[in-house]
Amino acid sequence: EVQLVQSGADVKKPGESLKISCQGSGYSFTTYWIAWVRQMPGKGLEWMGLIYPGSSETKYSPSFQGQVTISADKSITTAYLQWNSLKASDTAMYFCARLAAASDAFDFWGQGTMVTVSS
Amino acid sequence: SYELTQPPSVSVSPGQTARITCSADALTTQYAYWYQQKPGQAPVLLIYKDSERPSGIPERLSASRTGTTVTLIINGVQAEDEADYYCQSADSSGTYRIFGGGTKLTVL
Repeated sequence: EVQLVQSGADVKKPGESLKISCQGSGYSFTTYWIAWVRQMPGKGLEWMGLIYPGSSETKYSPSFQGQVTISADKSITTAYLQWNSLKASDTAMYFCARLAAASDAFDFWGQGTMVTVSS
Repeated sequence: SYELTQPPSVSVSPGQTARITCSADALTTQYAYWYQQKPGQAPVLLIYKDSERPSGIPERLSASRTGTTVTLIINGVQAEDEADYYCQSADSSGTYRIFGGGTKLTVL
């Protein structure tokens, strides 16, 4: 069974750093792209970027380039989304999702990680 | 910038047919995908490559394309269909993914 399990909710102060995770299981982790998707409170889905864990190749949305870092550790089948200096506007739910090779669709999703940034 | 345009809301009575549209110029060269999201849950893939249904998605859900507009069609709407629906595609190079703004389906 394919599963993407994300790390738990986190509360941070502005300026702090954070790294959230997404662990994949039940499939060949290194041969599927993983995406990160932001959903701000009461708003829609926003694609942030992709990583191919087999090579760590990344693609970022222009809106998020330079604002976050996407990485992966294939030895523990985990992808990460990282901030060096959080802002209040980073408060959102963050989802990881697997990109199916054949369909090019986001076919499996993590349960989401709520990040709250507040002083 | 590239955008996918969806109506903010659609309302239908139970048993009726709901149609949710998604339009953008780049849809002429890229496939469209549809996701359903219920409150407090992760999105679920409903349609891929314009009109294909993953296993487990009921046949009363379908999708079609006319030029640069794709339409999600839900026949025999049920109360459980009340949710937010998002279309998704890619830019003309296929590199960058994008989501539409989402449509809230209300079952009256």
